[in-house]
Amino acid sequence: EAGVAQSPRYKIIEKRQSVAFWCNPISGHATLYWYQQILGQGPKLLIQFQNNGVVDDSQLPKDRFSAERLKGVDSTLKIQPAKLEDSAVYLCASRGLVSNEQFFGPGTRLTVL
Amino acid sequence: DAKTTQPPSMDCAEGRAANLPCNHSTISGNEYVYWYRQIHSQGPQYIIHGLKNNETNEMASLIITEDRKSSTLILPHATLRDTAVYYCIVRVRGGGADGLTFGKGTHLIIQP
Repeated sequence: EAGVAQSPRYKIIEKRQSVAFWCNPISGHATLYWYQQILGQGPKLLIQFQNNGVVDDSQLPKDRFSAERLKGVDSTLKIQPAKLEDSAVYLCASRGLVSNEQFFGPGTRLTVL
Repeated sequence: DAKTTQPPSMDCAEGRAANLPCNHSTISGNEYVYWYRQIHSQGPQYIIHGLKNNETNEMASLIITEDRKSSTLILPHATLRDTAVYYCIVRVRGGGADGLTFGKGTHLIIQP
């Protein structure tokens, strides 16, 4: 079974630029999550989707971050404009309907200069 | 979700059992204990979860005290590949919003 795919793996941008990350969850997984992991800390949930609907986006900085999952499969996370403090690894995870286990992708490491 | 407390780091000799403690004294009756680990430069990986009974799978064993205020994750024969940050997470199982709340975890270093 293929795992959660994310791209790109690394991205370097200057502050005030825009950036987008892509996630392809495990086939058939209805629930998709985006987490932000700052160096030295545990991952922090940004947003959770169930199919193409948002379940929880309470910790998403909505002034600059947006995410969508239009067809209930792939998802994109966008930052516009980026700030220095957005430098982090952005992790995507998915979960099947009857499973307790979240499967994580390898993450995208973002560096904002 | 209940808060958890873990030691920031631990060492263990290769081949020995690694015992990782977690304190969750404010756990509620319907909250489960989950363990994930994160190997360097990878995403977190699920290990095991439990409610009140001890659990075992191919990766590890989970021992939960009778009062459920603490638990121990046991890796029975640690290898160098078990070097990782281990996260203990307490949360209600199921429901709608079920994103994981990670703390800083325990950095387990397996020594050759």
